[in-house]
Amino acid sequence: AQSVTQLDSQVPVFEEAPVELRCNYSSSVSVYLFWYVQYPNQGLQLLLKYLSGSTLVKGINGFEAEFNKSQTSFHLRKPSVHISDTAEYFCAVIPSGGYQKVTFGTGTKLQVIP
Amino acid sequence: EAGVAQSPRYKIIEKRQSVAFWCNPISGHATLYWYQQILGQGPKLLIQFQNNGVVDDSQLPKDRFSAERLKGVDSTLKIQPAKLEDSAVYLCASSPGNTIYFGEGSWLTVV
Repeated sequence: AQSVTQLDSQVPVFEEAPVELRCNYSSSVSVYLFWYVQYPNQGLQLLLKYLSGSTLVKGINGFEAEFNKSQTSFHLRKPSVHISDTAEYFCAVIPSGGYQKVTFGTGTKLQVIP
Repeated sequence: EAGVAQSPRYKIIEKRQSVAFWCNPISGHATLYWYQQILGQGPKLLIQFQNNGVVDDSQLPKDRFSAERLKGVDSTLKIQPAKLEDSAVYLCASSPGNTIYFGEGSWLTVV
């Protein structure tokens, strides 16, 4: 079984400041890792994913994440946030084999302050 | 490439009425999911299909919720009778194997 922990339920940050949203996971098998963003009244949009290869992955809207296997982390970062980044962000994992059962974190609300 | 399509986008019903949601996954995606997301919470898996077979429906309230995926393509999720606590957004998603893509969701309000 897998579990995903997003320790920060809310993260306020000033516009143009950097931000890091934390995600830790546990799993007995290898996994694929994802970040999704959910804007108000919308569905979940794929922000970026790690399947294999380079541990630093770049996504849409200037976001990037680094997979750290030893620390079982997949933190999301952006060097300079905009008002439009205000949304909820979900970390998720899928086992790399078998049926694609997704485990989501509880989400982090990013509030960008003008 | 067309995304996951869902309808209706918004629905308001009275408790004890029934409602049905429809989902058309991305072409060629074998796996289809229905999630329930209550305001302020993360998505909760209701049911997962692999082609037209059910892989996981352990969290589906089977006394009132039902879902089917005919011919391994489109899917419908039905709630009958609805309760106030069913007010949520119902997200359909599909996957070709290693990445899950979501639709815009169907917002249900039960009054």
